[in-house]
Amino acid sequence: AQSVTQLDSHVSVSEGTPVLLRCNYSSSYSPSLFWYVQHPNKGLQLLLKYTSAATLVKGINGFEAEFKKSETSFHLTKPSAHMSDAAEYFCVVSDPPQGNLIFGKGTKLSVKP
Amino acid sequence: DAGVTQSPTHLIKTRGQQVTLRCSPKSGHDTVSWYQQALGQGPQFIFQYYEEEERQRGNFPDRFSGHQFPNYSSELNVNALLLGDSALYLCASSFIGRADPGDTQYFGPGTRLTVL
Repeated sequence: AQSVTQLDSHVSVSEGTPVLLRCNYSSSYSPSLFWYVQHPNKGLQLLLKYTSAATLVKGINGFEAEFKKSETSFHLTKPSAHMSDAAEYFCVVSDPPQGNLIFGKGTKLSVKP
Repeated sequence: DAGVTQSPTHLIKTRGQQVTLRCSPKSGHDTVSWYQQALGQGPQFIFQYYEEEERQRGNFPDRFSGHQFPNYSSELNVNALLLGDSALYLCASSFIGRADPGDTQYFGPGTRLTVL
């Protein structure tokens, strides 16, 4: 069965410093992986997706993620945090492709001035 | 191009009542999925509709039912409401026939249901 584990429930960074949000996955298939962001009282916005075309995936707002099969990881990074990045981030696997999405528990990102 | 829309935005019901939530998919999409997001949790898959049929279902009781209309819009119905049904209900749309692999689902803003 597919699953994702987000290793940190809360990450706090200072504005202008790098962001790293960690995610490990478990999948019987060649997985489709996503990162979604949810700002307070808002719906979910797609940041980026991995579908086996390239291991380094670039998304919106300067975020990117690297798929590492040997480590079963799909960590989300950004070189320089902005105050507007403060939100909840979800790592997601599709089960199976064209199927339902399985969400991690989320990582709350706080950005300090 | 309108994205996914949901109505109502907020809803307050009492235990035992029934509720209907509505979703209109993104233009060009034919598949609608529903998710329940309890406070402080990640969304949980309820079910997915395609061609007016329930295509997949998550681990939710039969009190949760749905419908998809010929114009691809969808309803989520919950009967005999429990306090534990209080949550944000999210609708997501996608297109089954896309050539690229991976099911990219686009989410609406959600309906916040409070059961008293």
